[in-house]
Amino acid sequence: GAVVSQHPSRVICKSGTSVKIECRSLDFQATTMFWYRQFPKQSLMLMATSNEGSKATYEQGVEKDKFLINHASLTLSTLTVTSAHPEDSSFYICSARGAGGVWEQYFGPGTRLTVT
Amino acid sequence: DQQVKQNSPSLSVQEGRISILNCDYTNSMFDYFLWYKKYPAEGPTFLISISSIKDKNEDGRFTVFLNKSAKHLSLHIVPSQPGDSAVYFCAATGSGNDMRFGAGTRLTVKP
Repeated sequence: GAVVSQHPSRVICKSGTSVKIECRSLDFQATTMFWYRQFPKQSLMLMATSNEGSKATYEQGVEKDKFLINHASLTLSTLTVTSAHPEDSSFYICSARGAGGVWEQYFGPGTRLTVT
Repeated sequence: DQQVKQNSPSLSVQEGRISILNCDYTNSMFDYFLWYKKYPAEGPTFLISISSIKDKNEDGRFTVFLNKSAKHLSLHIVPSQPGDSAVYFCAATGSGNDMRFGAGTRLTVKP
């Protein structure tokens, strides 16, 4: 199956700093990438959808100035958490979907962010 | 709003028996449904899917049933194995747009 990687897998940062998370589709071109956030014992919450070369579409309640998403190429999307606060600590997961017409999304392994 | 619901947060079954995980949805525009399996601290792994034009899809030990009139789908795992223990997420999408996930059901298969 298609492979999606995320880097880093785990990051600890201080409050007020910014953190960048990378999501890469390794063996296919992802026209659309999605960013999710998962709180403990809760479902995956869609944060935003990004298409290559265009601005991301954010879900209601997600601050676009805080969670900056860039989808610069067909294999790379980045999520930057700006001015991180402890409440931003969470598990962030990206997924990628190709242009083949199937609706399966391939998920990355996730990034555990801890803001101290 | 919760458009996809998994009302059972957990399920425990004996090895070799059938596991049945349920999912309900409210949005009639959904036309494609998926099940994902997730281990702690890992991303979800695609398991099986079904289009709204079908009512059953089978792949090895996994079968997904769709009841459109009831807006209900279920995942059957037969026979259940200890390695199946994980959190299972039901997901739905309409016209290939963003996917909505249920809250997940933690399946424990006891040896």
